[in-house]
Amino acid sequence: AQSVTQPDIHITVSEGASLELRCNYSYGATPYLFWYVQSPGQGLQLLLKYFSGDTLVQGIKGFEAEFKRSQSSFNLRKPSVHWSDAAEYFCAVDNFNKFYFGSGTKLNVKP
Amino acid sequence: NAGVTQTPKFRILKIGQSMTLQCTQDMNHNYMYWYRQDPGMGLKLIYYSVGAGITDKGEVPNGYNVSRSTTEDFPLRLELAAPSQTSVYFCASSYSRDSDSYNSPLHFGNGTRLTVT
Repeated sequence: AQSVTQPDIHITVSEGASLELRCNYSYGATPYLFWYVQSPGQGLQLLLKYFSGDTLVQGIKGFEAEFKRSQSSFNLRKPSVHWSDAAEYFCAVDNFNKFYFGSGTKLNVKP
Repeated sequence: NAGVTQTPKFRILKIGQSMTLQCTQDMNHNYMYWYRQDPGMGLKLIYYSVGAGITDKGEVPNGYNVSRSTTEDFPLRLELAAPSQTSVYFCASSYSRDSDSYNSPLHFGNGTRLTVT
């Protein structure tokens, strides 16, 4: 079955610390991959996307993600977290024009 | 550009009532989607449309209906509301040149929070 897994439901990091959010997918072919961020009461905003080429992609707000085919992973990273990064993050896959989402990871940032 | 606009923002329904969630986009996107978001469950695809007159079921279509008479509008209909339909509903759109090519990322509306009691 097709799935997108985000194993961490909640993560708390200190402001200034580095961040890595995990995402694994299970699809036959290499899908198109995305990370979205959702602030409370808002819709989802695109952070970055991968569909071919360089496996390390840069996004907005200083985020980056690395596609690893051998691990079926697309982890999101940020070297130094800011308090404004506190939000919920969703990994998503575009598989034949249907977008499937993981269950999300809530990020808390400690001052 | 308004992007994707959803109305209403909030609604409370009684069990068995019906309602239509409205969604319109002004980006001339051919693909439109309805998702529901429940705590800890992420977003689940209800229905989607690849163009005017064409709709198809997603992961959780039961209890819902859609239509797509124009490129801009993609309303979601709840005929007999049930407590299990209490959720936040998001409409989204994207563009694809054809069915074999890559879609643009999804553009989301701000959601409709629906409570069924």
